[in-house]
Amino acid sequence: QLQLQESGPGLVKPSETLSLTCTVSGGSISSSSYYWGWIRQPPGKGLEWIGSIYYSGTTYYNPSLKSRITISVDTSNDQFSLKLSSVTAADTAVYYCARQYHYSGHTNFDYWGQGTLVAVSS
Amino acid sequence: QTVVTQEPSFSVSPGGAVTLTCGLSSDSVSTSYYPSWYQQTPGQAPRTLMYSTNIRSSGVPDRFSGSILGNKAALTITGAQADDESDYYCVLNMGSGIWVFGGGTKLTVL
Repeated sequence: QLQLQESGPGLVKPSETLSLTCTVSGGSISSSSYYWGWIRQPPGKGLEWIGSIYYSGTTYYNPSLKSRITISVDTSNDQFSLKLSSVTAADTAVYYCARQYHYSGHTNFDYWGQGTLVAVSS
Repeated sequence: QTVVTQEPSFSVSPGGAVTLTCGLSSDSVSTSYYPSWYQQTPGQAPRTLMYSTNIRSSGVPDRFSGSILGNKAALTITGAQADDESDYYCVLNMGSGIWVFGGGTKLTVL
């Protein structure tokens, strides 16, 4: 059974960089037809797609966050990571990692991590 | 700025039917946007209900169905049950490697 687990600091200071890692177990991150994505959810609000990465390193970013995001992949450890720079209180959210089936336009975020709350505060 | 619209809230009676919709601020939703639907209960990660408009995810009961209704994607729930009370989100594939979530619909069963 595929599992995803987010890890990283739960508290980040304003203007600093938020860094999270998602570890994939029970399957390979190098599987074809799958992207690996980050989605966030501010407290009491809806879901927002942040960005996705293919095992080859090809990335896709939300245009509204693109200038602050870096997503990378480590295939040897079946991990992918998110860095979000210059954070503010508006970046406080539960951050989810997810596997994203993608083939010829068809998309399905089919497996999700449990989510990790990251608060931005001094 | 692309906005994916959903009803903020909806209520349905137990045993009843409800259709939630997913629209675009500046276009009609078609199968070419490959709409998918997710259910989220408080404190839990979302789970897939439907993808590619009308393909039910594994384990999802056939009380849930997806379609295009007019210019929107639609998720229909029939025979509503208490545990259908959740938040429902649609996602559209905007192309060029961009996906957009709708604002979500809070469904109450009462």
